[in-house]
Formats: sequence, C-alpha cells, structure tokens
Amino acid sequence: NAGVTQTPKFQVLKTGQSMTLQCAQDMNHEYMSWYRQDPGMGLRLIHYSVGAGITDQGEVPNGYNVSRSTTEDFPLRLLSAAPSQTSVYFCASSYSNLGSYEQYFGPGTRLTVT
Amino acid sequence: KNQVEQSPQSLIILEGKNCTLQCNYTVSPFSNLRWYKQDTGRGPVSLTIMTFSENTKSNGRYTATLDADTKQSSLHITASQLSDSASYICVVSLGNQGGKLIFGQGTELSVKP
Repeated sequence: NAGVTQTPKFQVLKTGQSMTLQCAQDMNHEYMSWYRQDPGMGLRLIHYSVGAGITDQGEVPNGYNVSRSTTEDFPLRLLSAAPSQTSVYFCASSYSNLGSYEQYFGPGTRLTVT
Repeated sequence: KNQVEQSPQSLIILEGKNCTLQCNYTVSPFSNLRWYKQDTGRGPVSLTIMTFSENTKSNGRYTATLDADTKQSSLHITASQLSDSASYICVVSLGNQGGKLIFGQGTELSVKP
C-alpha cells in the first residue's frame, strides 16, 4: 500500500495563476479531506468528502474547489492563487469521519505564491 | 468556542530523558482525543486515539493520558531518542458536525545528544 500520496511536493505560483494539487489513496477510504498548515496555527480544514460524488466545505474554503469523481482521488484546485494561500497543504483519508477511525495524512505540498 | 491549547510551545531535552507534553481542550461535545507526531517536512502520523472512557493508552515509549472531567490530556515520552525530535499535535474530535477535528498548535520537541 502506498497510503496517501500527494503531488507535487513543492510548487511556486505567481499571483492569479491556477493549479491543481493531486491527492490519491489506495486504502479504499470513503472519507478524504484537505488541510492547510500555517506557522503558529493548527491545521485547518479546507474541504472534505464523505464519498465519491459528495463534497463539502470546511472552515477555510474560499479560493479553493474540490471534486470527488472516484473513491481514490481528491484533487484540490486553486482558482486564482493569492499570496495568502502560501502554505503547506495536507491531504488525509480515513475509513469514516465518524468514530475513532485513524486519519492517514499524505506527505504534503509546500506552495509559495509570489 | 472549541479550542485545543498545548504547552509548552517548544521543549529541548537531552537524549535518554523523559518528558511530558500537555493538552487542554474546551471542545464539546467530545468524541475522542488524538496525539500525532509530525516530523519536519512530513505529514502527521497517529500515535494514539482515546475515547471518553479511556484514561491511558500506550504506543511503545509514548503514553497518553486523558482526564475527561478536567478536559486535559498529556503525552509522556520515556527514554527519549534523537528520532523523537518532531512536533507533537493534540487533536480533539467533535461528537457532532461530522466528527470535525480541532487541532492544537503543536509542541516542538528537540532531543539533543
């Protein structure tokens, strides 16, 4: 099992550019989510999905879109990058968002917007 | 407001020594409490998950405790190793809102030889 994989590992964008951060998991998990991690702050939820075809907003969704066409993949799209989106992005997956199921995190994508 | 506070913010200890990290939370309703280890440049990795009825849980040299009455948890690391240098994150899961996770800011632990 590869677990949760993310690409790219690093990315530099100019303000206004768009891009897609890729996330895939091979554990047949229904629940997937995207977080951002900024210095001095806890991880914050951007978007999540409880299954293929179902997505919902987290606490900081503005400027980001997601889709879930398959169980395995959960890409995060930045529509028009802004310097405030400079952050480390983590994708996570779990059997379920309810109960005490373990969450597995990917290795992260470090994004810089200039 | 649902919050998770960790202390200390950072800690330096010598290899072989023990240490204890603290976590206080004001999350309601409570579902479970998790401790994660995050190495530099990597994603968080789960150490323990405790429900309301569990007051201690071990994972090798890591032992987590939970006092649901005082809403406090601690992570005790025994006989520290250089590889324990990492950020340790306390996370509380809500009993509603689809099990939303509330993350603490983390404690940065540095183990020196």
